[in-house]
Amino acid sequence: EAGVTQFPSHSVIEKGQTVTLRCDPISGHDNLYWYRRVMGKEIKFLLHFVKESKQDESGMPNNRFLAERTGGTYSTLKVQPAELEDSGVYFCASSQEGNIGYGYTFGSGTRLTVV
Amino acid sequence: AQSVTQPDIHITVSEGASLELRCNYSYGATPYLFWYVQSPGQGLQLLLKYFSGDTLVQGIKGFEAEFKRSQSSFNLRKPSVHWSDAAEYFCAVVPTDSWGKFQFGAGTQVVVTP
Repeated sequence: EAGVTQFPSHSVIEKGQTVTLRCDPISGHDNLYWYRRVMGKEIKFLLHFVKESKQDESGMPNNRFLAERTGGTYSTLKVQPAELEDSGVYFCASSQEGNIGYGYTFGSGTRLTVV
Repeated sequence: AQSVTQPDIHITVSEGASLELRCNYSYGATPYLFWYVQSPGQGLQLLLKYFSGDTLVQGIKGFEAEFKRSQSSFNLRKPSVHWSDAAEYFCAVVPTDSWGKFQFGAGTQVVVTP
């Protein structure tokens, strides 16, 4: 089975530009999560989708970040406008509904560099 | 406050030597406990997890972890490391009522020397 796919794997943008990250979860996984790790810090939760609905977006840092999950399939995370402190690695994960017993499957991450 | 602590930011170990990575957590009730590894250029890979039962958990790649309730710890061990074990290791917890929202430790970078 295909894993969680994220792209791009790397992105370098200038401050003030817009970037959109994409995550394709494992087919059939209703739960989709975004996390990020900024330089030298812990991996932090951003938000959680159940199908197309936002279950928990308590970790979103500010309104420059917009996450969507159209049709309950893939998800996008848009940063607009990007700031220097947004640099880091953005991870996506998916799981079957309520199936924490089997843990998540994480993607390889998108490394975002804002210059 | 709820927290996950990995006291060691960086560990250097010789190939063939044993490895122990420490993890302590602070939660009201014992959460679900995990160890993940991230190799260079790779995603986060699950090594092992603990929910309940036997406090010694076996994982992939020859790793094991021991849950100690009295110490709120979940330390990861490997008897003999290989050069391929060089990576960053993350302890993570999921509170049992949190809908699968992970809280990660800061990570421990493991360097393996010949």
